[in-house]
Amino acid sequence: RKEVEQDPGPFNVPEGATVAFNCTYSNSASQSFFWYRQDCRKEPKLLMSVYSSGNEDGRFTAQLNRASQYISLLIRDSKLSDSATYLCVSRGGWGKLQFGAGTQVVVTP
Amino acid sequence: DTGVSQNPRHKITKRGQNVTFRCDPISEHNRLYWYRQTLGQGPEFLTYFQNEAQLEKSRLLSDRFSAERPKGSFSTLEIQRTEQGDSAMYLCASSFSSMGADYGYTFGSGTRLTVV
Repeated sequence: RKEVEQDPGPFNVPEGATVAFNCTYSNSASQSFFWYRQDCRKEPKLLMSVYSSGNEDGRFTAQLNRASQYISLLIRDSKLSDSATYLCVSRGGWGKLQFGAGTQVVVTP
Repeated sequence: DTGVSQNPRHKITKRGQNVTFRCDPISEHNRLYWYRQTLGQGPEFLTYFQNEAQLEKSRLLSDRFSAERPKGSFSTLEIQRTEQGDSAMYLCASSFSSMGADYGYTFGSGTRLTVV
């Protein structure tokens, strides 16, 4: 079983709509969590960190549920430029990142 | 310093040949990581350095793979006797680590290896 599991999608979202998806992690000792965005054939880029209290960054909201070991990302008012693969990431004690396989989001006009 | 630099961007090699990739981290970063990403998967950890010391290696890093960071600055990743299964994007990342926290974790653009 992979340490971080994600629904691969694709999630086809009309422009302006809201989309949400989750990932689950198996290592309860993981210390930090992140969402990364990856465009086709590019490197991953940090989208946002994820905190138990929930955090927002503009149209993006992330939430961590440690009891159930899942992380969520919600995108409001989707833009065409939000089309990408979103990688769920957990971090261990010394900086090693564990990536999920990614959730593909396709925003359509 | 504009970020993590990886060279070459693309490499096509014949099966059985050796290849070497280079990563130049952000200059003040003391940690350097190598990851590998295959199609449809997220990046997978290979190894990391704290300054010049290689502190952990994944089981993915077979004996055909070797990584160095000789002066705690740039790093090289060499693959000997390449196999078609080595075809992937090889990503380098760097960060500054202090008191158990990582700052400025940044990925390079990667080296895309195709073994034919």
